[in-house]
This record gives sequence, structure tokens and C-alpha cells, in this order.
Amino acid sequence: GAVVSQHPSWVICKSGTSVKIECRSLDFQATTMFWYRQFPKQSLMLMATSNEGSKATYEQGVEKDKFLINHASLTLSTLTVTSAHPEDSSFYICSVPTSGGGFVQFFGPGTRLTVL
Amino acid sequence: GENVEQHPSTLSVQEGDSAVIKCTYSDSASNYFPWYKQELGKGPQLIIDIRSNVGEKKDQRIAVTLNKTAKHFSLHITETQPEDSAVYFCAASEGNAGNMLTFGGGTRLMVKP
Repeated sequence: GAVVSQHPSWVICKSGTSVKIECRSLDFQATTMFWYRQFPKQSLMLMATSNEGSKATYEQGVEKDKFLINHASLTLSTLTVTSAHPEDSSFYICSVPTSGGGFVQFFGPGTRLTVL
Repeated sequence: GENVEQHPSTLSVQEGDSAVIKCTYSDSASNYFPWYKQELGKGPQLIIDIRSNVGEKKDQRIAVTLNKTAKHFSLHITETQPEDSAVYFCAASEGNAGNMLTFGGGTRLMVKP
């Protein structure tokens, strides 16, 4: 399966600042990556689909101007949380869908964001 | 859209016993059903998956069954061990590359030594 890394693994920031999270597919060229958010003791909620070379597709209720996504290459997608507030504190996880006859998503290790 | 229900939300078993987690889905077009294990502070890890052209799949102590008519699928873990303790998520998808996964609410499995 695909090996996915995220950086940083955790970050603490002040309210009003912006935070960038990187998702890298280490061994698979991904034209699509997914970004999820997970609050404590809850399930994964899809935020957006990151598309290489084009605009991201956001799920209903997710502010595209607040959560900026850039899919710079076939191995890198970034999520920038702009003007972060305490309610943005969450676990952010990316995934890489592989192809080749099926559909399997492999997840990164996640990034814990805490906004003070 | 797809809706996935997962039960139970918590499950406590004695080491060596079996554990069963059940999920139902709503969209008859869904044809790919993965199961993920998530340990505290980590990303979900794919443990087994099944496609709609089969009814059962096994991998050592883990098995998944699928009933397309009833739109439900289950995860079976035999001979549970303390290291099986984690949160397990089921999901459903139409199964084409780029299609989204819809997740169940998760089951917290606790295996008592």
C-alpha cells in the first residue's frame, strides 16, 4: 500500500495565526488526496478532496477560504488553516487513494492542531 | 448520499474471546467496504477490506462478511489479544479510484487481559 507522511505531527499556535500541514505520498503518485478532520472520540469527517493541478473540492459546510488546499505535485498536498481559532483544534488526517483495479485509501499519521 | 451505521460503539471482551462489529449501509451502489484500526493519536490503518463480488474474506484472526441483500457487513476478530484494543471504523465506497469513503461512527474495542 501507499506510504503517507504528514508534517508536523503536532502543532500549537495562537488564535489568529495560520498553520500549514503537509501530506506526502512517499511511494505513490497521487493525483487526488483527501483531507479529514477528526474531533475527540468521533469519526473521520471528509473536509475536501485535493486535486493535483486544479482546485480542491470542499465538502458542504467547510469554508474554502479558511482551509486552503494546494496540491503542488503528485506527492505533496498542503492544508493551511488560516486565522485559526480554538474551535479549529482537531486531528487532521490526509489519505491517498490508490488505483490499479480497486480503490484503497491509505492514511497518514495525522496532525494534532491545538489553537490557544 | 451514503450513510453508514456502526454498532456497538464500545465493546469489551476478555482476552482470547471473539469480537464482532457490525455495520449497515444505505447506498446499494456501494461495492467496496474497508475496515480501519485506529490507535490513540495515530492515523487509521487498513486491516482488511472486501468488495461486493465476495461474501467473506479472511486474514489470519480477522474476517469480514458481507450481505449485499441486507446491506450489512461485519468484522470478526478471533482469539483477541490486548494489542487488538483500539477504535475500529468501517467504511463504504462505490469503489472507483477517487471516490470517497463514508465512515461509520467507530467502535472502541477493549480487550481485557
